[in-house]
Amino acid sequence: DSGVTQTPKHLITATGQRVTLRCSPRSGDLSVYWYQQSLDQGLQFLIQYYNGEERAKGNILERFSAQQFPDLHSELNLSSLELGDSALYFCASSVKTSGTDTQYFGPGTRLTVL
Amino acid sequence: AQKITQTQPGMFVQEKEAVTLDCTYDTSDQSYGLFWYKQPSSGEMIFLIYQGSYDEQNATEGRYSLNFQKARKSANLVISASQLGDSAMYFCAMRELYSSASKIIFGSGTRLSIRP
Repeated sequence: DSGVTQTPKHLITATGQRVTLRCSPRSGDLSVYWYQQSLDQGLQFLIQYYNGEERAKGNILERFSAQQFPDLHSELNLSSLELGDSALYFCASSVKTSGTDTQYFGPGTRLTVL
Repeated sequence: AQKITQTQPGMFVQEKEAVTLDCTYDTSDQSYGLFWYKQPSSGEMIFLIYQGSYDEQNATEGRYSLNFQKARKSANLVISASQLGDSAMYFCAMRELYSSASKIIFGSGTRLSIRP
């Protein structure tokens, strides 16, 4: 158990809908990262937050947004869902933002868009 | 641009044998970190080992060691005395070290299957 929690574990929804994925980092970790893992794209970095502020952006679509709250939990919002958004979404956390910091991953949320 | 290449999509190894999973990388950064993660069939990503570009010694963590050859830009994972529980996908990843906004880049992974 990495100490990172993600809810829900599974999510099934329809095209055009909006969903919110939630992540709680390990105790003491200030950085949260979101990743998407799909069969065709592999593991892709989406976005990083540090202590409530956005720090780095990867291949995140405009239909997707995220935020980190004062209690350091984070939410990833996915809207206008398409079939291609079906994937495993991971949250990871680290103590700070340095490249030396190991990122610990949560169990993931499996999103299925029908 | 940074890139991680894992050329072995799948490998089969006999239990108790050692196995080497290949990883090569490309970066223009002088300071970077290399990571290996394990993803069992249950889906979670488990951190295994880390190597910094300035570390002179190869990293080791229990049965895992990282064969770091900086000049060749390779960071192969060596698992000694493989066990059935080692069957999983393995990902090599890289991150620039001293930028607070650096991204982590993952390879495409190697699926390791351990035969009893």
